[in-house]
Amino acid sequence: DTGVSQDPRHKITKRGQNVTFRCDPISEHNRLYWYRQTLGQGPEFLTYFQNEAQLEKSRLLSDRFSAERPKGSFSTLEIQRTEQGDSAMYLCASSSLAGSGNYGYTFGSGTRLTVV
Amino acid sequence: AQRVTQPEKLLSVFKGAPVELKCNYSYSGSPELFWYVQYSRQRLQLLLRHISRESIKGFTADLNKGETSFHLKKPFAQEEDSAMYYCALSGRGGSNYKLTFGKGTLLTVNP
Repeated sequence: DTGVSQDPRHKITKRGQNVTFRCDPISEHNRLYWYRQTLGQGPEFLTYFQNEAQLEKSRLLSDRFSAERPKGSFSTLEIQRTEQGDSAMYLCASSSLAGSGNYGYTFGSGTRLTVV
Repeated sequence: AQRVTQPEKLLSVFKGAPVELKCNYSYSGSPELFWYVQYSRQRLQLLLRHISRESIKGFTADLNKGETSFHLKKPFAQEEDSAMYYCALSGRGGSNYKLTFGKGTLLTVNP
């Protein structure tokens, strides 16, 4: 296990098309997160899974966005009817649930989405 | 609402000079504070957590609750410290999973 993997690294799509990204977290980690980062901004929280349960969704996540983590392992993030404003780096991260502390995330390399 | 402010988008220093990257936060409660770093062409990675009071790569950060600040410091900057630095906070207990990031400071250490 070499860390958090994201696929694809880059995606160029036409406006209106659907796209799906995949994230494979560190196997021992039961928490998984999706963040979005645009130019000049820090990462912004999108959604969070603990095992297979999606426990929080940001209001940034419109109805066109859906995320799943069906077996508590890998996760997918789908964007339907993409818009140019969806162009961003989509980051996945994972962490373990240990005690009450936040031990920090391990991030993937991200998927850069460009909507043309 | 929780917020993290990094007032400097860019910071440039010479090798061997002290460096301080500023971070101020707004949070109703006792947050956990972090610094993340992203080197060129690498993924975002955790640099240090305030709760562990550690020094990583010569960097330290002290949580000042009175000033709601968590500035990152290093007495003698090295060229390899050049990177993007993000300050982040989370809540504690049941809300400790979600990180709020600042916009980042790009540090350049000149030879």
